[in-house]
Amino acid sequence: AQKITQTQPGMFVQEKEAVTLDCTYDTSDQSYGLFWYKQPSSGEMIFLIYQGSYDEQNATEGRYSLNFQKARKSANLVISASQLGDSAMYFCAFTNTGGFKTIFGAGTRLFVKA
Amino acid sequence: DSGVTQTPKHLITATGQRVTLRCSPRSGDLSVYWYQQSLDQGLQFLIQYYNGEERAKGNILERFSAQQFPDLHSELNLSSLELGDSALYFCASSEVLAGVSDTQYFGPGTRLTVL
Repeated sequence: AQKITQTQPGMFVQEKEAVTLDCTYDTSDQSYGLFWYKQPSSGEMIFLIYQGSYDEQNATEGRYSLNFQKARKSANLVISASQLGDSAMYFCAFTNTGGFKTIFGAGTRLFVKA
Repeated sequence: DSGVTQTPKHLITATGQRVTLRCSPRSGDLSVYWYQQSLDQGLQFLIQYYNGEERAKGNILERFSAQQFPDLHSELNLSSLELGDSALYFCASSEVLAGVSDTQYFGPGTRLTVL
């Protein structure tokens, strides 16, 4: 069965610095997708970035990039130049072709300090 | 704004009651997913519909049911409510049928409180 792990319950980062949020997954599938979502205190889930298992390049969306290491089964989110508005819960999610289900990690709460 | 709408935003009810949560997907999206987010269980997938048909089931209790209508909106019905059903319920939609690259866009959620 697929499993997704976020080992950092909470992280602190200084404003304007970069931060890496960890995500590892366990699967025997060859084709799968990895997603990151942000959940601010207001509660909504905001899609940030996607990485496919066959993508040769790491995904990038503005200040967000995904450090994808397939052999290590990790898909870490890197946020550059942190802003106060980045303070939120961040979830890593996994989808495969066969299950029609998306599995979410437990999340990492990021605190950005002024 | 993701384009997915959910009503109501908040719902307070008593144990044993039945409630219906409503979701309208983004324009053009055929798949609808329901999730439950609680403090102790995290974000749990409940059920998925594609173009009116049930396609996948997750950790959905027998007291819960859902359907997707011809206009593609979906409803999640929760009955015989218990205190432990208090949670944030999300609806998400995607364009196609759960491909690996198919991004799910979430609605704002319905916060259910069972007293």
